[in-house]
Amino acid sequence: KAGVTQTPRYLIKTRGQQVTLSCSPISGHRSVSWYQQTPGQGLQFLFEYFSETQRNKGNFPGRFSGRQFSNSRSEMNVSTLELGDSALYLCASSTSGAYNYNEQFFGPGTRLTVL
Amino acid sequence: SQKIEQNSEALNIQEGKTATLTCNYTNYSPAYLQWYRQDPGRGPVFLLLIRENEKEKRKERLKVTFDTTLKQSLFHITASQPADSATYLCALDGRDDKIIFGKGTRLHILP
Repeated sequence: KAGVTQTPRYLIKTRGQQVTLSCSPISGHRSVSWYQQTPGQGLQFLFEYFSETQRNKGNFPGRFSGRQFSNSRSEMNVSTLELGDSALYLCASSTSGAYNYNEQFFGPGTRLTVL
Repeated sequence: SQKIEQNSEALNIQEGKTATLTCNYTNYSPAYLQWYRQDPGRGPVFLLLIRENEKEKRKERLKVTFDTTLKQSLFHITASQPADSATYLCALDGRDDKIIFGKGTRLHILP
């Protein structure tokens, strides 16, 4: 079974631009969660999608948004990029959700650098 | 607010010894706690989950304990090997079903 894939793996943007990251979950997984990982803050929950609906959201500004398609693939978008958005963005899939006692399978992440 | 802390940023252990990592939390009573391993340049990999009504869980050389009175989980790797060197993250289900991760402990197993 193929694992979680994320594209692109690396991205360099400048302040003010916007970016879209993509995540393909493991086949059969309906939940996709997104996380931001930085050295200072660690791994922080952004949001979770299940069956095309946002089921939960972390404490990030509205510049961070996402969506999920009918095939469970998910995208997250960050608008008006700031220097502080430089981070590793990870997505994780599971069968039923980040909080339902289920193991989450993480992708390799997208390394975003904002200049 | 809920807070989760892992005892140290880095830990050096001699090969063959038992490595013990600590995860403490405050201001909350999670229903479960998870441990993940993360290698450089990769996403975290799930290791173990322990529920609030379980005291201990084992998987091969790994053992996790969960003390809801102390609000602490201990993660043990017995007979440690250099290949066990990685960052280990604990995570718990926070309020409103939001999962919260600790910042991790970088474990170095010295040959």
